[in-house]
Amino acid sequence: GAVVSQHPSRVICKSGTSVKIECRSLDFQATTMFWYRQFPKKSLMLMATSNEGSKATYEQGVEKDKFLINHASLTLSTLTVTSAHPEDSSFYICSARDPTSGRYEQYFGPGTRLTVT
Amino acid sequence: QKEVEQDPGPLSVPEGAIVSLNCTYSNSAFQYFMWYRQYSRKGPELLMYTYSSGNKEDGRFTAQVDKSSKYISLFIRDSQPSDSATYLCAMSLDSGNTPLVFGKGTRLSVIA
Repeated sequence: GAVVSQHPSRVICKSGTSVKIECRSLDFQATTMFWYRQFPKKSLMLMATSNEGSKATYEQGVEKDKFLINHASLTLSTLTVTSAHPEDSSFYICSARDPTSGRYEQYFGPGTRLTVT
Repeated sequence: QKEVEQDPGPLSVPEGAIVSLNCTYSNSAFQYFMWYRQYSRKGPELLMYTYSSGNKEDGRFTAQVDKSSKYISLFIRDSQPSDSATYLCAMSLDSGNTPLVFGKGTRLSVIA
């Protein structure tokens, strides 16, 4: 199946700083990527839909100014957590679909564990 | 009522048992159904996918969709300790770039 990578796999930052997480589709081009967050023992919560070359679509309750999404190319989307706080500590996961595969399933990255101290 | 309901478990079974995992949903417009497996601290891994109603088998895994009942199932035969993970059902309205709607996930432990 298609491969989606994320970097970094884990990051620890101090409260008030910003952190950037990258999501890459390695062997296909993705016009759309999705960003999720997952708290321990909880399901995936969709944060936003990232569209190449246009603004991201955020889910209700997700702060646009706090979670900045940039989808600058067909293989890269970034999520920047600005002015991070301890409550932003979570597991962030991206996913993408290969539009040329003729298959509809989405492939997930390995996730990024963010800890804000 | 939530769009997708899934019993979070945890479910503990002995090695070799047949495991049945289920989800119910409320939106009859869902057409595409998936099961993902997620190991601790890892991203979800696609296990099975099915379009509309019917069965699909892949090795020890069988996925069933009953759209009339809005009910989907994943069966694992001859369960192994390596099957211990969280299993998430997911569904989508279409095959385009619409987000998946996930169940909460069921934690499964297969005891050797």
